[in-house]
Amino acid sequence: KAGVTQTPRYLIKTRGQQVTLSCSPISGHRSVSWYQQTPGQGLQFLFEYFSETQRNKGNFPGRFSGRQFSNSRSEMNVSTLELGDSALYLCASSGGTGPNTGELFFGEGSRLTVL
Amino acid sequence: QQPVQSPQAVILREGEDAVINCSSSKALYSVHWYRQKHGEAPVFLMILLKGGEQKGHEKISASFNEKKQQSSLYLTASQLSYSGTYFCGSFIQGAQKLVFGQGTRLTINP
Repeated sequence: KAGVTQTPRYLIKTRGQQVTLSCSPISGHRSVSWYQQTPGQGLQFLFEYFSETQRNKGNFPGRFSGRQFSNSRSEMNVSTLELGDSALYLCASSGGTGPNTGELFFGEGSRLTVL
Repeated sequence: QQPVQSPQAVILREGEDAVINCSSSKALYSVHWYRQKHGEAPVFLMILLKGGEQKGHEKISASFNEKKQQSSLYLTASQLSYSGTYFCGSFIQGAQKLVFGQGTRLTINP
């Protein structure tokens, strides 16, 4: 059974640009969550999607957005990049009704560097 | 809303025990524990759904005190493979989000 796949794994952007990150969940999983990981801040919740609907959003500015497709694949977009957006972005999928009772399966992440 | 973990870092010798604590100011529906090794994705350890429930994984166990909104992770006779950063996650009742603490870095030396 294939795990969670995130692309691209590494990318470098400059301030003001935008970026789109992709996440393919484990087959059959309908819940996809996104987290930002930076040193000292741990895992910060961005948003969670279930069956194409955003069910919750973390405390991030509107520059951070996401969506989920009918095949459960998800994308997140960050517009007008800032230096502080440099981080590892992790995607996690879960089965059943979502992360309330289920294990999160994390991808290896997309490491974004903003210059 | 982010749960608070303590200690932030701990260094042990192989075979020693450790306790990692997690507390929340919000009512907890469940507590989740994950371990992340350097350069790898976080990996699930266990979920605690009921107050006072204890679960185990290898020589790692955890307790959840729903009334105190606290959870503790117990690592017994630690092994080198236990090294990594441990995160507790709290699922906020009424919201569909799992919020993680800042992590506890555990280093096991031979």
